[in-house]
Amino acid sequence: SQTIHQWPATLVQPVGSPLSLECTVEGTSNPNLYWYRQAAGRGLQLLFYSVGIGQISSEVPQNLSASRPQDRQFILSSKKLLLSDSGFYLCAWREGREKLFFGSGTQLSVL
Amino acid sequence: AQTVTQSQPEMSVQEAETVTLSCTYDTSESDYYLFWYKQPPSRQMILVIRQEAYKQQNATENRFSVNFQKAAKSFSLKISDSQLGDAAMYFCAYRSAYSWQGGSEKLVFGKGTKLTVNP
Repeated sequence: SQTIHQWPATLVQPVGSPLSLECTVEGTSNPNLYWYRQAAGRGLQLLFYSVGIGQISSEVPQNLSASRPQDRQFILSSKKLLLSDSGFYLCAWREGREKLFFGSGTQLSVL
Repeated sequence: AQTVTQSQPEMSVQEAETVTLSCTYDTSESDYYLFWYKQPPSRQMILVIRQEAYKQQNATENRFSVNFQKAAKSFSLKISDSQLGDAAMYFCAYRSAYSWQGGSEKLVFGKGTKLTVNP
């Protein structure tokens, strides 16, 4: 069966420091991969998606970037974190046309 | 752009009773998918139920069912025989069926409804 791994679970970083969040999927090949962010008290917002290695689409302009170096690996990065980057980050992959499965998320606090 | 509105920030229900969560959406598209996701305290998003817009029959998954009113752009979730484990945030979401400009890649979420189940 397919599983999605996301780490770390929590992260506290100072303003201006770099960021790297990693997500890997097992049990499937060539998945569509997604990074979502959930701000406090709000729904999820799509940040990036990827339909293949090296293919990244950005939904909103921001301080973050994404990369997909391998088929089942999706990385969210920042060179210099801002306070506004704080939030709950979720990686997801899509099965077929409909189902989106999420990882367990990373709570990022930028101080 | 599509929007999803959940007008009930919080709801509560007695254990074993039935509760309905409301969701409305705005779109000019004719083909799309609608979803309800559950986010328990662990914060992992769990798919509860999905509906395809071109299917008139309302989706059901065990104790969960939807009332899909396409003309009214309404998509409510009914939870029957509520259990303590149903307590969570519930999010309604929309996804286009059209791939133009990546529309089919994006889930648009409402702000959620916090459901409390009282014993």
